[in-house]
Amino acid sequence: DGGITQSPKYLFRKEGQNVTLSCEQNLNHDAMYWYRQDPGQGLRLIYYSQIVNDFQKGDIAEGYSVSREKKESFPLTVTSAQKNPTAFYLCASSPPILSGNTIYFGEGSWLTVV
Amino acid sequence: AQSVSQHNHHVILSEAASLELGCNYSYGGTVNLFWYVQYPGQHLQLLLKYFSGDPLVKGIKGFEAEFIKSKFSFNLRKPSVQWSDTAEYFCAVSPSGTYKYIFGTGTRLKVLA
Repeated sequence: DGGITQSPKYLFRKEGQNVTLSCEQNLNHDAMYWYRQDPGQGLRLIYYSQIVNDFQKGDIAEGYSVSREKKESFPLTVTSAQKNPTAFYLCASSPPILSGNTIYFGEGSWLTVV
Repeated sequence: AQSVSQHNHHVILSEAASLELGCNYSYGGTVNLFWYVQYPGQHLQLLLKYFSGDPLVKGIKGFEAEFIKSKFSFNLRKPSVQWSDTAEYFCAVSPSGTYKYIFGTGTRLKVLA
């Protein structure tokens, strides 16, 4: 089945540790995104990537890092510099603009810092 | 800065009541507009979208939305809600020709059986 796979679904991290969230898509989409969802704040963009080996900061990039070495993969690292990392993280992708730029989401990853 | 406002944060309705959720955006150019729904424990799903043409668009499960350009609005409607419509609803705007998507803060709808 085509889709976006995020792993792990639930993750616990100790303060001071970095953690990497995986996102893989087999939709052949060019663009990929990471959003953070907090209650009452909607979805806030962390990073996005339009093509391989290129990515741009979103609205809340501080304390996060990404890579885009393959079209299918866009992992997000939550570093120890992120002051409030406990949240629900959503990965998404979208096709080329001329194909109609509807954004599709994975099922999300819950990160809890303990 | 571009933004999307959803003024209703929490809505509680009885089954069969009519629904209208407001969405306003701030952007002067051409936009693509979306409504997404997140059912409890599930991922975000596309409900409907507007790119061009007829400003009244119909989506899944009996939902529709009307784009009113002069009001920068894209309100979501359903004539008769069901208990299964209990979910969180997000409005999103994407300036045409870009990969940028701006989401509203969401509206939590609870439908009482």
